[in-house]
Amino acid sequence: DAKTTQPTSMDCAEGRAANLPCNHSTISGNEYVYWYRQIHSQGPQYIIHGLKNNETNEMASLIITEDRKSSTLILPHATLRDTAVYYCIVRIADNTNAGKSTFGDGTTLTVKP
Amino acid sequence: ETGVTQSPTHLIKTRGQQVTLRCSSQSGHNTVSWYQQALGQGPQFIFQYYREEENGRGNFPPRFSGLQFPNYSSELNVNALELDDSALYLCASGTGGIMNTEAFFGQGTRLTVV
Repeated sequence: DAKTTQPTSMDCAEGRAANLPCNHSTISGNEYVYWYRQIHSQGPQYIIHGLKNNETNEMASLIITEDRKSSTLILPHATLRDTAVYYCIVRIADNTNAGKSTFGDGTTLTVKP
Repeated sequence: ETGVTQSPTHLIKTRGQQVTLRCSSQSGHNTVSWYQQALGQGPQFIFQYYREEENGRGNFPPRFSGLQFPNYSSELNVNALELDDSALYLCASGTGGIMNTEAFFGQGTRLTVV
């Protein structure tokens, strides 16, 4: 799996958009970008994933650059409950490899009132 | 919420002992993975089972072993516990369907080795 680089921590004001960057310059053509988050003392929670097109679901949007070397997770209206560690992961999207993820140390997002 | 349940939630063992951690997945989840998460770090992949056979392993010694059962439950066994084995152990399962490529995590078992 390609290596990812994320900022250690970020702050965001409640109600504003939170933009979390991730660099994955060694990504291969068949590797997807996945985002998970982990709220304190809980297991990681899947957020979104994508290959090269921008993706949106009920939780977030994922913007992947054209060269696929970086991406941004966007939480459009951050709430206090979005305070968590956010992990960007790159791996092949294969049904037998769903669990084989290489996690870094992630970005600690703190949403402030 | 994720349909993945781990037991026990907390456990204290003595160095040198053996421990078995358990995970129960939803029906139809053919893959199960185990992760170790030390305090302040991201989860580290231990191994994965797909249809009851190990099909991937991270950089962990053989004293970490596992089993997956036909009823979608699984076990992580750790022999000869060391102090550094103290961590949150996470189980993740997936449906194995070609369009379902995300893993669903349990809440974890907090193991403390003293």
